[in-house]
Amino acid sequence: QLQLQESGPGLVKPSETLSLTCTVSGGSISSSSYYWGWIRQPPGKGLEWIGSIYYSGSTYYNPSLKSRVTISVDTSKNQFSLKLSSVTAADTAVYYCARHDHSNAFDIWGQGTMVTVSS
Amino acid sequence: QSVLTQPPSASGTPGQRVTISCSGSSSNIGSNTVNWYQQLPGTAPKLLIYSNNQRPSGVPDRFSGSKSGTSASLAISGLQSEDEADYYCAAWDDSLNGHVVFGGGTKLTVL
Repeated sequence: QLQLQESGPGLVKPSETLSLTCTVSGGSISSSSYYWGWIRQPPGKGLEWIGSIYYSGSTYYNPSLKSRVTISVDTSKNQFSLKLSSVTAADTAVYYCARHDHSNAFDIWGQGTMVTVSS
Repeated sequence: QSVLTQPPSASGTPGQRVTISCSGSSSNIGSNTVNWYQQLPGTAPKLLIYSNNQRPSGVPDRFSGSKSGTSASLAISGLQSEDEADYYCAAWDDSLNGHVVFGGGTKLTVL
């Protein structure tokens, strides 16, 4: 069955760029039925949607993060990626990648990866 | 401050029926469908209800969702100890070119 797996550094310095990749296995990222998104959860807090991408490359982002976020897709590798620039301690969180449909129901999630912003 | 408002906590005893509310506005719940997620401790969220009241395959029919106007509710009947988790509502918000918004989450305790 379809699985998602996040990967990337667990520690990022303040003001630098956080970079994560989500690898999709057991299915194609090029499905016309789905989008691929990033969601984060600071320790002890709730969920925050970061943004999503379609296999064609079209993206949409959380307005509160839009100036710092870039999401891209590599269909040849069945991967999509997140870049968040100028990070601060407030960006410390578990980052999840997930699949969603046109109604924005996130039905398959990765296990999540903890990213800490600290010098 | 989350765009969708949920009570921070809820509780019930085994076998009881519990409801969790989610309040929004005309730009989100009022004009779009609501999804609910269950997050067990230390795990990724799981889709529990989609399109207001639809259950994905494998979700017990003890879980049900409803929507009216700018509010939605998740109901859990026949409460079980394994239902102890955090629950989040979510919806599309049409403002600011559109974005996904989540509720702040409700921690359900089974007494």
